[in-house]
Amino acid sequence: AQKVTQAQTEISVVEKEDVTLDCVYETRDTTYYLFWYKQPPSGELVFLIRRNSFDEQNEISGRYSWNFQKSTSSFNFTITASQVVDSAVYFCALMGGGANSKLTFGKGITLSVRP
Amino acid sequence: EPEVTQTPSHQVTQMGQEVILRCVPISNHLYFYWYRQILGQKVEFLVSFYNNEISEKSEIFDDQFSVERPDGSNFTLKIRSTKLEDSAMYFCASLAETNTGELFFGEGSRLTVL
Repeated sequence: AQKVTQAQTEISVVEKEDVTLDCVYETRDTTYYLFWYKQPPSGELVFLIRRNSFDEQNEISGRYSWNFQKSTSSFNFTITASQVVDSAVYFCALMGGGANSKLTFGKGITLSVRP
Repeated sequence: EPEVTQTPSHQVTQMGQEVILRCVPISNHLYFYWYRQILGQKVEFLVSFYNNEISEKSEIFDDQFSVERPDGSNFTLKIRSTKLEDSAMYFCASLAETNTGELFFGEGSRLTVL
């Protein structure tokens, strides 16, 4: 069975602070994919990143960075110099390989960035 | 850029009515999904569909739900007799093939059951 745990439920920061959103996953698949999505108040799921299990290289995209560590089954997401527009719910998700291709979501983290 | 499109974006219905939510997946994709998100909760898997049949369904996906791909283009979710607790955002997704991770979501259809 696959599981995604986002232990933080709500985080509130002041603009320009850095914030890290944690994600821990469980899977027995050797090939799998990890995702982060942003859900603004309008409700759509905005794709942020996909990482496959064979690629542990960390990634940076502008103010966003991701730290993938297989040893701890974690895929954490850091926003540097947060902005009010970053306020949203952030979901981490896991997809297994092969026939087990459905996406399992964590419960989400509500991030509030105050001016 | 290819995208998954969903209609309607918002539907309001009376309890007991039938509802059909429509999705147009990305044209060369092979795997199709419906997910549900009750307001304020996490996104939950409903059903996956491959080769014109259901490949997996969750315990949420009971006899009131059905899916079909009638014309090779649209992928529909039907709720036969809606209940208040069916009020949610419904997301369609499509996947090119397994072991690629190339999964794309539509913008969602918000269903409100009164």
